[in-house]
Amino acid sequence: AQSVTQLGSHVSVSEGALVLLRCNYSSSVPPYLFWYVQYPNQGLQLLLKYTSAATLVKGINGFEAEFKKSETSFHLTKPSAHMSDAAEYFCAVSPSNDYKLSFGAGTTVTVRA
Amino acid sequence: KAGVTQTPRYLIKTRGQQVTLSCSPISGHRSVSWYQQTPGQGLQFLFEYFSETQRNKGNFPGRFSGRQFSNSRSEMNVSTLELGDSALYLCASSLGGGRYEQFFGPGTRLTVL
Repeated sequence: AQSVTQLGSHVSVSEGALVLLRCNYSSSVPPYLFWYVQYPNQGLQLLLKYTSAATLVKGINGFEAEFKKSETSFHLTKPSAHMSDAAEYFCAVSPSNDYKLSFGAGTTVTVRA
Repeated sequence: KAGVTQTPRYLIKTRGQQVTLSCSPISGHRSVSWYQQTPGQGLQFLFEYFSETQRNKGNFPGRFSGRQFSNSRSEMNVSTLELGDSALYLCASSLGGGRYEQFFGPGTRLTVL
């Protein structure tokens, strides 16, 4: 079974600082990987996805993630945090032969002025 | 293109009642998935439908059921509601399996009293 581990349930960064959110997955074969963001009282919005093409994936709002097979990781980064980045972020995995997403527990990001 | 819509947005029920939630996918999407989001359990997969067929089901009791219509719209039903069913229920649509991103609706907030 697929599983996803997000290290750190809360991350606090200063405006303009690097945002780094960690995600590790367990899978015998590289799955499809996704990062979603959720703002309060809203659904999930896709930030980016990895589907076995380039290992460095660029997404919306300046976010990017790097797939590292040897480390089974898919960490999300943004060089410079903005106040609008305050939200909850979810890493998700989908096996290549399945139709469901398995989510990590989520990381809440707060941005300090 | 219109996004995923869910109705109603908010619902209050009492224990023992049943409830039906509705989801209209993005035009052209034939896959609809349902997820339950709670503070304690996070995001959990309920089931996925494609062309009116349930392809995958999560680990939920039989009180949770769903269906998909020929126009890809989907409903989920929860019978004999329990307090623990209070959650945000999210619907997501996609073109198909694993590698395709899922687009989420705003969710239905169910409160069971």
